[in-house]
Amino acid sequence: KQEVTQIPAALSVPEGENLVLNCSFTDSAIYNLQWFRQDPGKGLTSLLLIQSSQREQTSGRLNASLDKSSGRSTLYIAASQPGDSATYLCAVAGGSYIPTFGRGTSLIVHP
Amino acid sequence: NAGVTQTPKFQVLKTGQSMTLQCAQDMNHNSMYWYRQDPGMGLRLIYYSASEGTTDKGEVPNGYNVSRLNKREFSLRLESAAPSQTSVYFCASSEDGSYGYTFGSGTRLTVV
Repeated sequence: KQEVTQIPAALSVPEGENLVLNCSFTDSAIYNLQWFRQDPGKGLTSLLLIQSSQREQTSGRLNASLDKSSGRSTLYIAASQPGDSATYLCAVAGGSYIPTFGRGTSLIVHP
Repeated sequence: NAGVTQTPKFQVLKTGQSMTLQCAQDMNHNSMYWYRQDPGMGLRLIYYSASEGTTDKGEVPNGYNVSRLNKREFSLRLESAAPSQTSVYFCASSEDGSYGYTFGSGTRLTVV
């Protein structure tokens, strides 16, 4: 059974810092890995999708990397802003294409 | 482009009542999923449907039933609601994961 762990569980930083959120998974036979953002009381918004054959994906200030052999992914947020405050979720899908989620990292960026 | 639409957005039930949560997607995706999200527990898979006409249990199926009505629609039914089913329910769809997963905005269910 795939298990996904996200560290840290919570993070509070001043505006402008560069951040690294971590996601680890136990079964390296994955199909893809997807990072989501969730604002309080809202649904999940897709940020980045990395296929198993890829090493990283970038979108604006966000960069996600994938190392299947070590069972890890990191989400890098450059020059954080208060609008980045949200919960960030990592989802790992195996050969059955069913995502398994971590419990998320709750991020607060204060001015 | 609506994506994944869930109804209702909010619902309060009394213990023992039944209800059906509706989910529809307009992206012609084969696979659809139902998750529940509880504080501190993350999202847990209830049921999924890999294609029209098929459904399978996920991690927490007890107390739920599903119907894949057609390729667009995947409903979740609570036959006899219990307070332990108080949660936020999310529906998702994908084209076999190739382009990731798209989520609906959720249904907040309270069972009293």
